[in-house]
Amino acid sequence: GAGVSQSPSNKVTEKGKDVELRCDPISGHTALYWYRQRLGQGLEFLIYFQGNSAPDKSGLPSDRFSAERTGESVSTLTIQRTQQEDSAVYLCASSHPGPLSYEQYFGPGTRLTVT
Amino acid sequence: AQSVSQHNHHVILSEAASLELGCNYSYGGTVNLFWYVQYPGQHLQLLLKYFSGDPLVKGIKGFEAEFIKSKFSFNLRKPSVQWSDTAEYFCAVRMNRDDKIIFGKGTRLHILP
Repeated sequence: GAGVSQSPSNKVTEKGKDVELRCDPISGHTALYWYRQRLGQGLEFLIYFQGNSAPDKSGLPSDRFSAERTGESVSTLTIQRTQQEDSAVYLCASSHPGPLSYEQYFGPGTRLTVT
Repeated sequence: AQSVSQHNHHVILSEAASLELGCNYSYGGTVNLFWYVQYPGQHLQLLLKYFSGDPLVKGIKGFEAEFIKSKFSFNLRKPSVQWSDTAEYFCAVRMNRDDKIIFGKGTRLHILP
């Protein structure tokens, strides 16, 4: 079946511009995560959505970052006034509901380059 | 703050060598533990996971990991690696106080043919 999809796959933007990254999770997955992977670094947690609960935004690095999710489907991650240090691969993952799930299914990522 | 540490950033082995990649976490409560792998040009995918029960878990492609609660560790092992195991390996931990899953910085494994 269809996996997690992300768009665009690559985005080059000028410093100071806003960007919007999109994630389509697997149908039926109530949990959705955003991570950032800088070159040579691990996965940095950004934000987590679970059903209709308030999102866990504790990983967002600054107020320039925000994310929304429409019900239990599409999510968008918005970065305002981009900086060069925002250059990274942004990964989205979704997971099954239920207490023994938590296996995350990852998308291909969006590679963001800020020039 | 809760964290996940992977001790080896880059490991180079010859085929048929044995592998052990370290993973430690800092959290005193109940955890769920994962190892993910990212092969070149592919998505991250789950190798194995621990939720409860037998602390020695087996995953795909001959990998296994052992949860040692007293050491806060979840090391990944494989008795005999293959060239196709060349990839980046990530340890991840879910601390049961919330559903957030924290990843380590990853270990790049390079297997020489």
